[in-house]
Amino acid sequence: GQSLEQPSEVTAVEGAIVQINCTYQTSGFYGLSWYQQHDGGAPTFLSYNALDGLEETGRFSSFLSRSDSYGYLLLQELQMKDSASYFCASRGGNYGGSQGNLIFGKGTKLSVKP
Amino acid sequence: DGGITQSPKYLFRKEGQNVTLSCEQNLNHDAMYWYRQDPGQGLRLIYYSQIVNDFQKGDIAEGYSVSREKKESFPLTVTSAQKNPTAFYLCASSEQLTRNNEQFFGPGTRLTVL
Repeated sequence: GQSLEQPSEVTAVEGAIVQINCTYQTSGFYGLSWYQQHDGGAPTFLSYNALDGLEETGRFSSFLSRSDSYGYLLLQELQMKDSASYFCASRGGNYGGSQGNLIFGKGTKLSVKP
Repeated sequence: DGGITQSPKYLFRKEGQNVTLSCEQNLNHDAMYWYRQDPGQGLRLIYYSQIVNDFQKGDIAEGYSVSREKKESFPLTVTSAQKNPTAFYLCASSEQLTRNNEQFFGPGTRLTVL
């Protein structure tokens, strides 16, 4: 089957660094994405990794290791507004089309404390 | 401004009634999606459409129906056959072949069955 596993909850303090891990199992692989969702809100796209290595976008970075079927989202200089759920997502192979549709992990709820 | 709109934001339904959730986008995207989100869960795909007048079942299509008569619109009907319809429903759109798995989400409709 196709699945993505991530921790259900993470807690950190303001100003700290936190890493949210994601391991995936898909029949094909077309990159790993990360989405942020505040309570009651819409998911918003954060980052995408197609190749191994680190992608940096401001305070957020995302890493991928295809050989380990593993990725992570790194949030630096945490702010209270970063409290949200973070989802990893991957496009499996030939599921519903030439590229397949996105499959989401269950999400990691990040709580940032003062 | 381009984006996706969903209406209504909150919807209450009596058991045994069908209800239709609206989703409109002006991003000129070919692909549109409907997801269901339950508390503490990821997004599960209900239906998707890659082009006008065509749509496919996702993982949890039973008890739901859709239409795609216009590129901009992808309404979802929750029928009385859906056994547990209370959930948060999210509509999304994307370019048909995305380079980075980016989907754009609407604000969601929270459906409660009384």
